[in-house]
Amino acid sequence: QKEVEQDPGPLSVPEGAIVSLNCTYSNSAFQYFMWYRQYSRKGPELLMYTYSSGNKEDGRFTAQVDKSSKYISLFIRDSQPSDSATYLCAMNGANNLFFGTGTRLTVIP
Amino acid sequence: SAVISQKPSRDICQRGTSLTIQCQVDSQVTMMFWYRQQPGQSLTLIATANQGSEATYESGFVIDKFPISRPNLTFSTLTVSNMSPEDSSIYLCTVSYGVQETQYFGPGTRLLVL
Repeated sequence: QKEVEQDPGPLSVPEGAIVSLNCTYSNSAFQYFMWYRQYSRKGPELLMYTYSSGNKEDGRFTAQVDKSSKYISLFIRDSQPSDSATYLCAMNGANNLFFGTGTRLTVIP
Repeated sequence: SAVISQKPSRDICQRGTSLTIQCQVDSQVTMMFWYRQQPGQSLTLIATANQGSEATYESGFVIDKFPISRPNLTFSTLTVSNMSPEDSSIYLCTVSYGVQETQYFGPGTRLLVL
């Protein structure tokens, strides 16, 4: 079983839609959870960073962590064509990060 | 967050040759890492670059194939040795300010081996 599972998509939505991206994980010791956004031909950039369970909001983005279910989500409200990218979840083990495979999102104008 | 640069940004290399990738950070960082990103796969950690000592390699990666240097707190190199087409990938440098802190990515080096 992989440490982190993420639906690779692709996911296409119309502009203005609410997007839900999700990851599950198997290691209950994970405490730090991150979402990275990667545009084509660029390195991943940190989008959201949360510690333990709960919600964190930043503009149109909301990250949720449910440690009891080992499930994390990223919600994008009022999605824009500029949100089109690959979104990777990541979580922190003892000394390194474990990544999902990424979900490719396309927001259609 | 840190500003990270990588050189070269891309390269096309012949089988059997070696390529050294440089990673430069604009501030002193505690941790530096090297990842590989192959198409359709998740990021794979190659090694942790330790300042002043040998790198710590993950399972499946060895020093002879991927020698790493980290002479100071702002710079590291990764060499891909004796390349084969299977080494074609994006190689990414990341940095963090603490052992369990988040990591910031460089722009990556896109390598194609013919």
